Amino acid sequence: DAGVIQSPRHEVTEMGQEVTLRCKPISGHDYLFWYRQTMMRGLELLIYFNNNVPIDDSGMPEDRFSAKMPNASFSTLKIQPSEPRDSAVYFCASSPPLGQGKTGELFFGEGSRLTVL
Amino acid sequence: AQSVTQPDIHITVSEGASLELRCNYSYGATPYLFWYVQSPGQGLQLLLKYFSGDTLVQGIKGFEAEFKRSQSSFNLRKPSVHWSDAAEYFCAVGAGQAGTALIFGKGTTLSVSS
Repeated sequence: DAGVIQSPRHEVTEMGQEVTLRCKPISGHDYLFWYRQTMMRGLELLIYFNNNVPIDDSGMPEDRFSAKMPNASFSTLKIQPSEPRDSAVYFCASSPPLGQGKTGELFFGEGSRLTVL
Repeated sequence: AQSVTQPDIHITVSEGASLELRCNYSYGATPYLFWYVQSPGQGLQLLLKYFSGDTLVQGIKGFEAEFKRSQSSFNLRKPSVHWSDAAEYFCAVGAGQAGTALIFGKGTTLSVSS
């Protein structure tokens, strides 16, 4: 089975440009998460969705960040305008429905490394 | 608020020696607890998880972890470390709706010396 697929794997852009990161979760998973990883702050939860509906976006750093999930197989994380302090690895993860013996384990993609110059 | 503390930022262990990585959590209810491993340039892979039952859980690659409610700990152990175990290890606690969103510790980097 295919895992969580993220694109692009690497993105280098200049300050002020718009950045769009994409994620395809594992089929059948109804939870989708966006995390950001930096050396200073570790892994931070940005936002998560359940059945395409945002449940908690309290981790989104500011209005420059937005996330959407138009359908069960696709999500985007957008930064507009980007700033150098947004440089990080952004991970998408998905999780199967709770219950039926499932315990909320997250399955991670390989991440998108963003560098903002 | 939920939180996870991994007191050791970096640990070096000789190949063949035993390993213990520490994890302490803060959570009001019965936690869902996880250990993940991350190799350079890769995503996170689940090693093991605890959600109920036996407090000693076995995982992949010969790892195990013990849940101790009295100490709010979930330490990861391996009896004999291999060079391929060098990676970054993350402890996480389930939060939100019955263990959905995970809160991660800052991670422990494991180096293995020959």
